[in-house]
Amino acid sequence: DTAVSQTPKYLVTQMGNDKSIKCEQNLGHDTMYWYKQDSKKFLKIMFSYNNKELIINETVPNRFSPKSPDKAHLNLHINSLELGDSAVYFCASSLGGTGYTFGSGTRLTVV
Amino acid sequence: AQSVTQLDSQVPVFEEAPVELRCNYSSSVSVYLFWYVQYPNQGLQLLLKYLSGSTLVESINGFEAEFNKSQTSFHLRKPSVHISDTAEYFCAVSDRGDYKLSFGAGTTVTVRA
Repeated sequence: DTAVSQTPKYLVTQMGNDKSIKCEQNLGHDTMYWYKQDSKKFLKIMFSYNNKELIINETVPNRFSPKSPDKAHLNLHINSLELGDSAVYFCASSLGGTGYTFGSGTRLTVV
Repeated sequence: AQSVTQLDSQVPVFEEAPVELRCNYSSSVSVYLFWYVQYPNQGLQLLLKYLSGSTLVESINGFEAEFNKSQTSFHLRKPSVHISDTAEYFCAVSDRGDYKLSFGAGTTVTVRA
């Protein structure tokens, strides 16, 4: 049973396209996150939802829009993709901030 | 929000030798501390965490870390490494009651025979 699953695992697309990444957790956690890992492997938080409510929104271009239809799902939609958006995007979840479980990542390549 | 510093970006080490990865964070308020490991082309796996209680925490595969509040540190150690320990190691910190987990820049551990 996969605790935090995200799809797709790989995504190659052209500049200017719109794409979505989906994330689901079956841990019963109340908070979900999107993190971006750049080419130097640095991890930076992008968004966080607690019980479907947006609680963290870091300085991220508004081309990125998260959506949480319920506590178990958090999707990330990206409009007008740019070369600089190429990275690995990780979904994560936590319960009360005492432990964070990460998905296996989505490697986005914009060409 | 916390700032996390991992003092060593790369640590080469011979098999069966000890290793220490250093981690310092910015604030001495009540914190939760974590170490994550990332194997090549994989996701992040929790190695160990400190929430409260004993300042020395251990993982099932021989790693340990010690929380030092006065020095705002959470260094990771293993007395004898294996080739399979080759990976990227991330220290992460969050303030208690906060939902934001801040990461250090990572330490690449390369174990050689």
